[in-house]
Amino acid sequence: QVRLVQSGPEVKKPGASVKVSCKAFGYNFESYGVSWVRQVPGQGLEWLGWISGYNGNTEYSQKVQGRATMTTDTSTSTAYMELRSLRSDDTAVYFCARDFHYYGLRSNSVRGFDPWGQGTLVTVSS
Amino acid sequence: QPVLSQPPSVSGTPGQRVTISCSGSSSNIGRNTVSWYQQVPGAAPKLLIDNDKQRPSGVPDRFSGSKSGTSASLAISGLRSEDEADYYCAVCDDYLNGVVFGGGTKLTVL
Repeated sequence: QVRLVQSGPEVKKPGASVKVSCKAFGYNFESYGVSWVRQVPGQGLEWLGWISGYNGNTEYSQKVQGRATMTTDTSTSTAYMELRSLRSDDTAVYFCARDFHYYGLRSNSVRGFDPWGQGTLVTVSS
Repeated sequence: QPVLSQPPSVSGTPGQRVTISCSGSSSNIGRNTVSWYQQVPGAAPKLLIDNDKQRPSGVPDRFSGSKSGTSASLAISGLRSEDEADYYCAVCDDYLNGVVFGGGTKLTVL
């Protein structure tokens, strides 16, 4: 069964860092990427970035570029996302998701996230 | 303000058909394929549609996706109480070099 299991909730002070893990089960980790998406309570979804399970290449959203670092450990099929210089508006549930991304015949992006991890609540509070 | 525009809410009665729209631009929906996600409160999102209109294994055929120009739609027919959830569209944006989500639509089954 393909599934992603994330680490537990975190409480951090402003200015600190947090590292969330996402362990993959039931598929070849190196054949897919992992995207990270967050959701502020009561609000919508926001894509943060992607990491290749094959070679560790990354893409980051403009909003977290420079503050986020995504890594993988292929020996344990685990992806990590570290976010630094935390602010109160970083308080959110952070999801990882298996990311399939390829290019169609017209060089258009075909992409989807399936499945998702259960989510990790990160609370930033003084 | 999300890059993709969705209606904040839609509603319907059991058995009805509802549609949820997702409006974008030439750099996202007009160029790349759309995926749709269902999120029940308190749970992680679930992929419903990818590649504009393809249903992953296990997704009922009551759910269908379509796209025209810079807009996409999710249709749910034979509405059921368990369809009550938030629905999000998503697509790659070539200008922003990343993935963008719609603001989400809350479906209420009356």
